[in-house]
Amino acid sequence: AQTVTQSQPEMSVQEAETVTLSCTYDTSESDYYLFWYKQPPSRQMILVIRQEAYKQQNATENRFSVNFQKAAKSFSLKISDSQLGDAAMYFCAYRSSQGGSEKLVFGKGMKLTVNP
Amino acid sequence: DSGVTQTPKHLITATGQRVTLRCSPRSGDLSVYWYQQSLDQGLQFLIHYYNGEERAKGNILERFSAQQFPDLHSELNLSSLELGDSALYFCASSAHSGGALADTQYFGPGTRLTVL
Repeated sequence: AQTVTQSQPEMSVQEAETVTLSCTYDTSESDYYLFWYKQPPSRQMILVIRQEAYKQQNATENRFSVNFQKAAKSFSLKISDSQLGDAAMYFCAYRSSQGGSEKLVFGKGMKLTVNP
Repeated sequence: DSGVTQTPKHLITATGQRVTLRCSPRSGDLSVYWYQQSLDQGLQFLIHYYNGEERAKGNILERFSAQQFPDLHSELNLSSLELGDSALYFCASSAHSGGALADTQYFGPGTRLTVL
């Protein structure tokens, strides 16, 4: 079974600075999908970014980018120019590419605090 | 706004009771997923429906059941409720089901269930 590990339960960053959230996963599959979701105090789960394992290029969405290291099974999220609205829980998630296994497997999450 | 709606937002009930949580997927989405978020278990996959048919089950208790109706909305039924069932229940939807079509899952706002 696949597992996702977020080893840092909490981090803090100064506004306008850059922060990197780490995530590792374990799988025997060669093709899969990885996601970062954000959960602000409203509790809504919001997709931040996704990465297909077959793509070598790291995904980027505005201030958010990933560092995907397939061999190391590492998937970190970099937030540039941090804003107060980035404060939230961040969850790393894995999804198999196999039909019938579309569930998301989540890490335990990491609480990000943004200091003004 | 993800386009996924869930009702009710909050539910407070007593042990032994039965409740029904409702989810309407985004327009055109055929897949509905249910997840449970609790403090001790984190985010756990419960069940997946695609176009009215059950596709996969996670660690869903026998006291819990779900269905997806012809109009694609879904209901999660929780019976013989216990204190430990208190959690945030999310519904997510995606356009397709199938390995190669790894559509992103978009989450609803969740239903907070409190069992007293």
